[in-house]
Amino acid sequence: DIQMAQSPSSLSTSVGDRVTITCRASQYISSYLNWYQQKPGKAPKLLIYAASNLQSGVPSRFSGSASGTDFTLTITSLQPEDFATYYCQQSYRTPRTFGQGTKLEIK
Amino acid sequence: QVQLQESGSGLVKPSGTLSLTCGVSGGSISNDNWWSWVRQPPGKGLEWIGEIYHSGSTNDNPSLKSRVTISVDKSKNQFSLRLASVTAADTAIYYCARVQYSGWYADYWGQGILVTVSS
Repeated sequence: DIQMAQSPSSLSTSVGDRVTITCRASQYISSYLNWYQQKPGKAPKLLIYAASNLQSGVPSRFSGSASGTDFTLTITSLQPEDFATYYCQQSYRTPRTFGQGTKLEIK
Repeated sequence: QVQLQESGSGLVKPSGTLSLTCGVSGGSISNDNWWSWVRQPPGKGLEWIGEIYHSGSTNDNPSLKSRVTISVDKSKNQFSLRLASVTAADTAIYYCARVQYSGWYADYWGQGILVTVSS
């Protein structure tokens, strides 16, 4: 299986901050990397697909980038509704594995 | 707007079989998408279970040791999950989702259904 190492596992941040979350794949996955946001009691929501493509309706403060097997989700100017848990997922091979998640908490 | 809705038993006895169905509305299950199941144990992360195409082709997670059966019913516009020989470790929220074939990402999700394995 392809392992996805996501960091940090949690982050204490403030409204207006710039946040960066990283996922490292254990092997080559091309650009088959997706980012999801999950709020308590809700289903995951697709934010970014294919490493850097913003899903329709997602605010432009969210962006994704890739460098080899390292992938980054950046949120510029964090908003109150962005406090949630974020997951990366590789979709290059089955099983389509997720990272462990990053929980953004209010400082 | 595509909508997905999970249904099924919320309580399953140990060694029994978990059975869930995902109804799809606002679009045809026979479109060029795959359809997936993902689960989340309480307070933990997401685990990919498997996926199916309307032709019946499937991919599933080997970690579930062949306990998984995913099927599709095009006449009812729904797909289903069966997980055999369940234990307490299978207690989780189960989500169904639509998968875009172009990049294998899940763009529409059901609300999820909690399944508890307990006697």
